[in-house]
Amino acid sequence: NAGVTQTPKFQVLKTGQSMTLQCAQDMNHNSMYWYRQDPGMGLRLIYYSASEGTTDKGEVPNGYNVSRLNKREFSLRLESAAPSQTSVYFCASSEAGPTYEQYFGPGTRLTVT
Amino acid sequence: QKEVEQNSGPLSVPEGAIASLNCTYSDRVSQSFFWYRQYSGKSPELIMSIYSNGDKEDGRFTAQLNKASQYVSLLIRDSQPSDSATYLCAVFSGGYQKVTFGIGTKLQVIP
Repeated sequence: NAGVTQTPKFQVLKTGQSMTLQCAQDMNHNSMYWYRQDPGMGLRLIYYSASEGTTDKGEVPNGYNVSRLNKREFSLRLESAAPSQTSVYFCASSEAGPTYEQYFGPGTRLTVT
Repeated sequence: QKEVEQNSGPLSVPEGAIASLNCTYSDRVSQSFFWYRQYSGKSPELIMSIYSNGDKEDGRFTAQLNKASQYVSLLIRDSQPSDSATYLCAVFSGGYQKVTFGIGTKLQVIP
């Protein structure tokens, strides 16, 4: 099992460009999450999907959109990138909701210039 | 008051010693508690979860939970240089219905 996979691993964008971060899990988990991690700020939840067909905003959703394509895949889209979105992005999944253990993907390091 | 608080460190311990990592949380209705290890440039890796008061042991790791004091800790026995990493505490809050991560404690094990 690959667990949670993310693409790309690294990305550099210019301000105003758009991109989609892809995430897939093969653990048959119901819930999936997108986090960003910044120095001194810890992990912050951007969006999560409790189950296929549902998405909800987290702590820092502004400037992002998500799509739960199917049970395996959960994508994060930046429509118009800003330097403040420079960060490391992690996707995670759990069996059923945040009371359960979350398993993380390898991350995407994004730089917006 | 932050929802989940950790000392950012670094915490330095000699090889073979016990490392003690601490975490406090603000919501008394918290239900699930997790410890993650994160090596530099890597993603968080789950090492322990604990749901009820007391101790839970797994190999060299022991998680301790005291809900009355709103305190959770991670003990690493016989610390090894390979344990050098940042340790994140995460708490699921029943009141807020979300998981909050602490900023992590950086552990350095000195050979």
